[in-house]
Amino acid sequence: DIQMTQSPSSLSVSVRDRVTITCRASQSIGAYLNWYQQKPGKAPNLLIYATSKLQSGVPSRFSGSGSGTDFTLTISSLQPEDFATYYCQQSYSTFITFGQGTRLEIK
Amino acid sequence: QVQLVESGGGLVRPGGSLRLSCAASGFTFSDYCMTWVRQAPGKGLEWLSYISSSGSDIYYADSVKGRFTISRDNARNSFYLQMNSLRAEDTAVYYCARDRVAAVDTRDFELWGQGTLVTVSS
Repeated sequence: DIQMTQSPSSLSVSVRDRVTITCRASQSIGAYLNWYQQKPGKAPNLLIYATSKLQSGVPSRFSGSGSGTDFTLTISSLQPEDFATYYCQQSYSTFITFGQGTRLEIK
Repeated sequence: QVQLVESGGGLVRPGGSLRLSCAASGFTFSDYCMTWVRQAPGKGLEWLSYISSSGSDIYYADSVKGRFTISRDNARNSFYLQMNSLRAEDTAVYYCARDRVAAVDTRDFELWGQGTLVTVSS
């Protein structure tokens, strides 16, 4: 299986900060990388698919980049509603895998 | 209204069985690939199983292969996860999810159910 490793596992940040989360795949996955946001007690919400394509309705402060094995999710100016846990997910393989998650906490 | 609604969760003893259901509405269910994902308490997301729109292609994570069975009934706009030989480590919230695009296997999940809790304990 393809292993997905996110860093950091948690991050203390403030409103209006620029935030970058990294996701690394154990083998090349092309651009088959997706990002989700999950708030406590809620289902995940798709933010970005195919590395850099913004899902409909997602604010433009979210962006994604990368290719091959290294990917990033960037939030350009963190808003109060963005405090949540973020997961990357590879869709290259039939056997889907998620990263372990990155939790954004209020500084 | 476009939605997925899970049901069937609950408390079950180790070694027992449970069948989860996911009812779809508001879209052409038979056009979409569907997936089950779970989340143990305080843990991350774990993909479990995937079924193609026709039901002809099915895949499982190693952690559940041989114990769980995914199926779908396009006439009833529903799909299912039959869970046998349950273990304490299967305790989790189970989510059903739909692919983003119809008729294409994208394996990115745009629509999720609310989740159903399965607790395996004696």
